[in-house]
Formats: sequence, structure tokens, C-alpha cells
Amino acid sequence: DAKTTQPPSMDCAEGRAANLPCNHSTISGNEYVYWYRQIHSQGPQYIIHGLKNNETNEMASLIITEDRKSSTLILPHATLRDTAVYYCIVEGDYKLSFGAGTTVTVRA
Amino acid sequence: DAGITQSPRHKVTETGTPVTLRCHQTENHRYMYWYRQDPGHGLRLIHYSYGVKDTDKGEVSDGYSVSRSKTEDFLLTLESATSSQTSVYFCAISESVGGNTEAFFGQGTRLTVV
Repeated sequence: DAKTTQPPSMDCAEGRAANLPCNHSTISGNEYVYWYRQIHSQGPQYIIHGLKNNETNEMASLIITEDRKSSTLILPHATLRDTAVYYCIVEGDYKLSFGAGTTVTVRA
Repeated sequence: DAGITQSPRHKVTETGTPVTLRCHQTENHRYMYWYRQDPGHGLRLIHYSYGVKDTDKGEVSDGYSVSRSKTEDFLLTLESATSSQTSVYFCAISESVGGNTEAFFGQGTRLTVV
């Protein structure tokens, strides 16, 4: 059973921030929130992960609500190359479970 | 990019023949995984390894076997390929487990069973 809920698709304008929501209301205390993306038919690419604090790296920011039941991935300045399927995953061990993800289309 | 090489990248085989896919890493990561990806199903875990000669089943392991005789190589074997095993296969590696580690994926092997 899916542990996360994501919108199936969303559009974003190039140069604008893309905010990708994810609901994970059944998350347990030791489970992390991961984000991966898959561009076309390539292998999934790790973006970011967090436990309860907000995280930022060179690719994105991850905002986790205080109750940890939802999170938002922020791509600060979307480019055409960010068009991909984005997966939000909740796991406490090594077995990443990929759902359908959100298909993000960045438009010029 | 993490040093993961999958071979072959593309393969067409006949039903009933054995097929072996290879995943090779240069990162010396302990954990290795095989996933398959089909339309409408996302990625599903087939088998994983937590060390040399240490492997276990994932959620869709029927019809597949794996072996890991060296840290750097993880082999996936279809003993008798069926059309339902037509898929894209991804290998992944990770340094540790416990929830606080990222996985790195290979570029995939597209297998067609005719």
C-alpha cells in the first residue's frame, strides 16, 4: 500500500519556483521523507531527504510540516531540464517504494 | 555521478531462455538492489543484497534469482524468461541503511522477451 499521496501532474513556468506537495499521514517516527526524480527513461536521481527538519541542498529545498504528515519539495528556479517524474517516498530502511509520482512539466 | 554500470543496456530474448543482467559498481557500497519498472507500476524491488553472498527477496522476486560473489557485482538471472518479464530493470546501490542514506541508480536495462 502506498505510504504517500502526490498529485499526478503539475505544470510550472520556467524560472519560477515549483512547489511539489506530498501527503504522508501515516509516517512513523523513524521514517525519512525522500525525493527522487526520473527524467524520461533514465534511472531515478536522488534529490533530497529529511526526517523532521527542513533541508536544503544545491538542487532543492524540503519543507516538512511540524506533525510530519506532509511535505513540500521546492525547486527554486525551475528550468526545462527539471521536467521529470518526481517521487516522494517514505521509508525507514533500505527498501524504497516508488509510487506513481508527480509528472512535472516545466514550460517556457 | 555514482559509478554504476548496467549491462547489457538493451536485450531481446526468446521465451524460455535464461538471461543474466549485470550490475557493476565502483563505489564499494555494501548494499545493492534490483528493481523493475513497468508502465503504471512505478519501480518495484525484485531482490537486494546487503553484502557478499548475502541476498534477500523483494516484493516481486518470483522468476528471478540473484548472486553476489564480489562487492562490486550483483547479477540478476531470469532462469526461463517469460513475456511478463519484459521490463526496464534498474540496479541501485547505497552505502548504508537505516533511513538516512540515498540510493544511486544505474541507467537501466531494457529487456524484451518475445
